[in-house]
Amino acid sequence: NAGVTQTPKFQVLKTGQSMTLQCAQDMNHNSMYWYRQDPGMGLRLIYYSASEGTTDKGEVPNGYNVSRLNKREFSLRLESAAPSQTSVYFCASRLRASNVLTFGAGSRLTVL
Amino acid sequence: ELKVEQNPLFLSMQEGKNYTIYCNYSTTSDRLYWYRQDPGKSLESLFVLLSNGAVKQEGRLMASLDTKARLSTLHITAAVHDLSATYFCAVDNPSNTGNQFYFGTGTSLTVIP
Repeated sequence: NAGVTQTPKFQVLKTGQSMTLQCAQDMNHNSMYWYRQDPGMGLRLIYYSASEGTTDKGEVPNGYNVSRLNKREFSLRLESAAPSQTSVYFCASRLRASNVLTFGAGSRLTVL
Repeated sequence: ELKVEQNPLFLSMQEGKNYTIYCNYSTTSDRLYWYRQDPGKSLESLFVLLSNGAVKQEGRLMASLDTKARLSTLHITAAVHDLSATYFCAVDNPSNTGNQFYFGTGTSLTVIP
């Protein structure tokens, strides 16, 4: 049972490049989330998906897009990366009846 | 704007000592969560507090919730090195579009011999 799987684990981009962070969960969870973690800022919610077919903005959505491809997968896309998007990105999922988030291992993104 | 504030941000404590981490939040939520993150790792759930006055204990850690004061505490008893980690509190903010979970800035705990 893999839980929440994120790919890639590490990525270096140049300013203006695009990329997609992939997230998949095998726990049949309904809700999925994307957070970014920066020193001294804690975790900030970028986008979330309460259920398959729905997505909504969180605290810091600018510069990002998401797709809830199916119940298992929730991807985060940077269309034109900026140095301010250098961060560690975490995907998380939750069963509707549960209050606990299950996190992936994280993806460290550096934008030069 | 929902805010979740933790203090202290950094805590260095000797083994065997007691200390408390504080989490203040601005919403009327009555549900609060504590997570632990080891360096370079992901977050793991520690406690789920679902009502005013809730208290949960696991080993040397005890968490409590006062929804009227919008305050949660994480108390560490007789600290040991294995407790060195970053601790986050979080609140959930139900909305028409689903539950958003907001995290505090984290408290980086170092337990020294």
